[in-house]
Amino acid sequence: DTAVSQTPKYLVTQMGNDKSIKCEQNLGHDTMYWYKQDSKKFLKIMFSYNNKELIINETVPNRFSPKSPDKAHLNLHINSLELGDSAVYFCASSLTSGGVRETQYFGPGTRLLVL
Amino acid sequence: AQTVTQSQPEMSVQEAETVTLSCTYDTSESDYYLFWYKQPPSRQMILVIRQEAYKQQNATENRFSVNFQKAAKSFSLKISDSQLGDAAMYFCAYRSRGGSEKLVFGKGTKLTVNP
Repeated sequence: DTAVSQTPKYLVTQMGNDKSIKCEQNLGHDTMYWYKQDSKKFLKIMFSYNNKELIINETVPNRFSPKSPDKAHLNLHINSLELGDSAVYFCASSLTSGGVRETQYFGPGTRLLVL
Repeated sequence: AQTVTQSQPEMSVQEAETVTLSCTYDTSESDYYLFWYKQPPSRQMILVIRQEAYKQQNATENRFSVNFQKAAKSFSLKISDSQLGDAAMYFCAYRSRGGSEKLVFGKGTKLTVNP
């Protein structure tokens, strides 16, 4: 049973295109995240949503727009893709318990290659 | 801002031996969490172990244990009886308790296990 799933796993596209990555979790968590892992394996937070409300928005180009239709889903839409957007994008989720967000669990990642 | 430093880009260990991966962090907060995540070639981010800063006792999970030195801001991971399946990138991560609860990652240590 998949806990945090992402689609697609691989995405190859041309510069200038618009693409979306979808994330779903069936853990009953209320907070979801997007992280970017660059070619040097460095992981950095991009966005976080709690119960469909944006709570973290790091310095990310506004070509990136997250959307959370409900607390089990967090999608990432990228406009006008650039070569530098090539990376692995990870979705993660966590549960708020006693006012504290617990351990984050990660999806399998989506490898995006922009040509 | 919090930072996490992993000073060993690569480490190797013989199968069945013990290896220790280093991690130091910088924070002005007193309450936080520390994590070790493992990323095998499959790319999946897997939680290895978690430590709450308010707990003096070092966390252990089977063959994995940590040496948490709060005053020194050090959080090393010890892997005992290393197995071939332990070969992976290992990431140390910090998370505040409350506020912006994003994970801040180190740059990772690539662990090779030699048969």
